[in-house]
Amino acid sequence: EAGVTQSPTHLIKTRGQQATLRCSPISGHTSVYWYQQALGLGLQFLLWYDEGEERNRGNFPPRFSGRQFPNYSSELNVNALELEDSALYLCASSLGTVLRAGELFFGEGSRLTVL
Amino acid sequence: QKEVEQNSGPLSVPEGAIASLNCTYSDRGSQSFFWYRQYSGKSPELIMFIYSNGDKEDGRFTAQLNKASQYVSLLIRDSQPSDSATYLCAVNAGGGNKLTFGTGTQLKVEL
Repeated sequence: EAGVTQSPTHLIKTRGQQATLRCSPISGHTSVYWYQQALGLGLQFLLWYDEGEERNRGNFPPRFSGRQFPNYSSELNVNALELEDSALYLCASSLGTVLRAGELFFGEGSRLTVL
Repeated sequence: QKEVEQNSGPLSVPEGAIASLNCTYSDRGSQSFFWYRQYSGKSPELIMFIYSNGDKEDGRFTAQLNKASQYVSLLIRDSQPSDSATYLCAVNAGGGNKLTFGTGTQLKVEL
């Protein structure tokens, strides 16, 4: 069974540009989460989508946005890129039930570099 | 105060020893607790979860939870070099499926 897949693996952008990252969850998982992992800061929660709706977002500015499609795949958009947006962006999926909410399965991540 | 705190390490233990990894959290309403392992250059993978006070064992791993002290730990018995990784503690306070991660403890198991 395929795990969580993310694309692209690496992305290089310049300041002010927009980046789009994509994620396909494990089959049967309805919840998708996005985390940012910057050097020395650990995993920072960005967004949670379930059944096509944004359910929760972390402490990030509105230029971080995303959506979930009817097939439960998701994309993360980062507008007006800044240097400090350079990080590994991890997507995770889960079954979406309250009991299993913390049992996340992560993709390999998309490495975004902003020059 | 950080919501989830871990000693960054590195924690070095000899092969075959018990590695003890600790985590404290600030939200008393936290309901579920998770340990993830992250190898260098890889994504995190779930290794243990615990919801109730006490110990939970799974193979060489034991998770311990003390809600009164707001403390959760992970013991790794018979540590192997393959256990060398960063261990992330994560806490779900029950508010909207948001997992809050600590910054992780780097474990090095030496031959």
